[in-house]
Formats: sequence, structure tokens, C-alpha cells
Amino acid sequence: SAVISQKPSRDICQRGTSLTIQCQVDSQVTMMFWYRQQPGQSLTLIATANQGSEATYESGFVIDKFPISRPNLTFSTLTVSNMSPEDSSIYLCSVEGVKSKAGGVYEQYFGPGTRLTVT
Amino acid sequence: QKEVEQDPGPLSVPEGAIVSLNCTYSNSAFQYFMWYRQYSRKGPELLMYTYSSGNKEDGRFTAQVDKSSKYISLFIRDSQPSDSATYLCAMIAGGKLIFGQGTELSVKP
Repeated sequence: SAVISQKPSRDICQRGTSLTIQCQVDSQVTMMFWYRQQPGQSLTLIATANQGSEATYESGFVIDKFPISRPNLTFSTLTVSNMSPEDSSIYLCSVEGVKSKAGGVYEQYFGPGTRLTVT
Repeated sequence: QKEVEQDPGPLSVPEGAIVSLNCTYSNSAFQYFMWYRQYSRKGPELLMYTYSSGNKEDGRFTAQVDKSSKYISLFIRDSQPSDSATYLCAMIAGGKLIFGQGTELSVKP
């Protein structure tokens, strides 16, 4: 399994500002994922980040709002830009695990999350 | 309509009870069905996964899939206070994980 840490664990920010969330993994991984978990909502994929290439964003998420960096195989950052109260959420970093015994199923390991409150 | 529907609860049961957690889905392309457990202020962790219709047992946990009804369940036998967490169903289609809202479970001693 992979051990994932995130910084900061929580933050309270003012609207209009930006916050960069860091994700560190204890092993080299090809794909890293960023999710958002809003209160009462499903865990939603924001983007997939591969080292050495541009992140791939899901429908409803854009690079200007959520720029992502992936400088190496163990680290990634997600920036939440020009924040509004609607961005208040938990942001989680995730990586793909080894193929399961059943074949074809990649377990995903999640970081502890960053709890963001925008006032 | 959401692709995956899950009752958010909260669900409160006494210790030792049998817990039934359920999800319905609309996309027939879903192939793998998973249950994640998320403790407070932690990230989700994979609990169980299944591929075909039928039951899969792991200790006190049983995952059940009915593809004809597009319905999956997680049963917890002899529930313990340590089982108190949010349980999220998840499914894979096109290589992506699609999650339900999660059901918050509280097991009272």
C-alpha cells in the first residue's frame, strides 16, 4: 500500500485568495488523482495528473480554477484559485495501487484530505 | 439522475446488529463494484470489491451484487463500535471510479 500525506490538513481562507495543497507519496506512482468531497455529495474526481504531462480535467473543472503541478513521481500540488464559499470542501489526493488478484481492478489509496473553508 | 445513488443516512444501530448498506446505479457499463470505508478526518480505504453478481464474504462483511436490478449491498454482521464510519460504494466504468454519496454509520455500544 502507499502512504500519502497532504498539507495543509485544514485551512480557512478568504474569498478571492488562492490555496495550494501539497500531496506527497512514499513511493513512485504514475498516476495521481485529485478529488473533491463536498458535504452531502459524492467524492468527485477533479483531475488526473501524470508526471511530465498536462493534467486531464473532468467535466466541470478547468485548469484556470484548479491548476495542478506534477514535478516528479512522488509529489503533486493542487491550487484552488480565486476561492469562493462554494469551494469549501475536503480535497483529497489519491494514487493507484497494484493490480488486485482478481485482475483489472486498481485499488486507489487516498490521502487524509485537506479541509478547506472559504469565508 | 446520479449514476450512483446511496442513502446518506445517518444510520445508527446498537452493537451486535446486522447492518445493511445499499446502492443503486443506472449505468450498465459498470463492471467492478467496491465498498470504501472512511473514518472521520481520514481518506477512504478499500474494504471490499466484487465483479460478478452474487455474494462475496470477508469476515463479518458480505458484499452482494445484483446486476439485473442494478443494486449492490454491503452487510456487516455483529457490528462493532469500531465499524462507525462512512461507507461509500464505488463503481468503475471507463477506468474511472464513480462514488456514491456515502452512508454515515454509527454503532452504539
